[in-house]
Amino acid sequence: EADIYQTPRYLVIGTGKKITLECSQTMGHDKMYWYQQDPGMELHLIHYSYGVNSTEKGDLSSESTVSRIRTEHFPLTLESARPSHTSQYLCASGDRPDEQYFGPGTRLTVT
Amino acid sequence: GQNIDQPTEMTATEGAIVQINCTYQTSGFNGLFWYQQHAGEAPTFLSYNVLDGLEEKGRFSSFLSRSKGYSYLLLKELQMKDSASYLCAVRERGNTPLVFGKGTRLSVIA
Repeated sequence: EADIYQTPRYLVIGTGKKITLECSQTMGHDKMYWYQQDPGMELHLIHYSYGVNSTEKGDLSSESTVSRIRTEHFPLTLESARPSHTSQYLCASGDRPDEQYFGPGTRLTVT
Repeated sequence: GQNIDQPTEMTATEGAIVQINCTYQTSGFNGLFWYQQHAGEAPTFLSYNVLDGLEEKGRFSSFLSRSKGYSYLLLKELQMKDSASYLCAVRERGNTPLVFGKGTRLSVIA
């Protein structure tokens, strides 16, 4: 299995703050993904990357941005957090068609 | 368009066998995944099918019929710890992002 890490695991922050959720993987995967999941609901793809300097928006309209400057690192930034951003954010990676591994997730609460 | 359907909830008894179905209609097909997700946790990989037939891994098996757009996950000798959501996901082509169904919440009761 891939080693994929997310920090912080839990975050409570006030409205209007800028936040960056970190995701790192040590397997050298080119392909990385960010999903958003509300409790008990389905996963929605918000951003993905096929390699350094490559980023694409997913299906869910999101007010977040991503960057991919290094292969192992795929951070997600919210410029101005809102209560509607309260959710779980899951990072995933995997290069082969038969693999996609998830990090432990960041549970974000915006007050 | 993409459409992946799974039952919303299922309940089964400890020690029994349960089959969770998934049907899909996608513009292409390059593999079907099953994940297990406990409440509040990340999905963990269970199985991958790209060819028709049954793949067995211990208590879990996954079946695929590409012509019918159909898969199932079979869980044998159910244990209480199997209570979780089970997610079906399809990769449409190449290595494009997975498309997920809404998940099936399985409750295992004594």
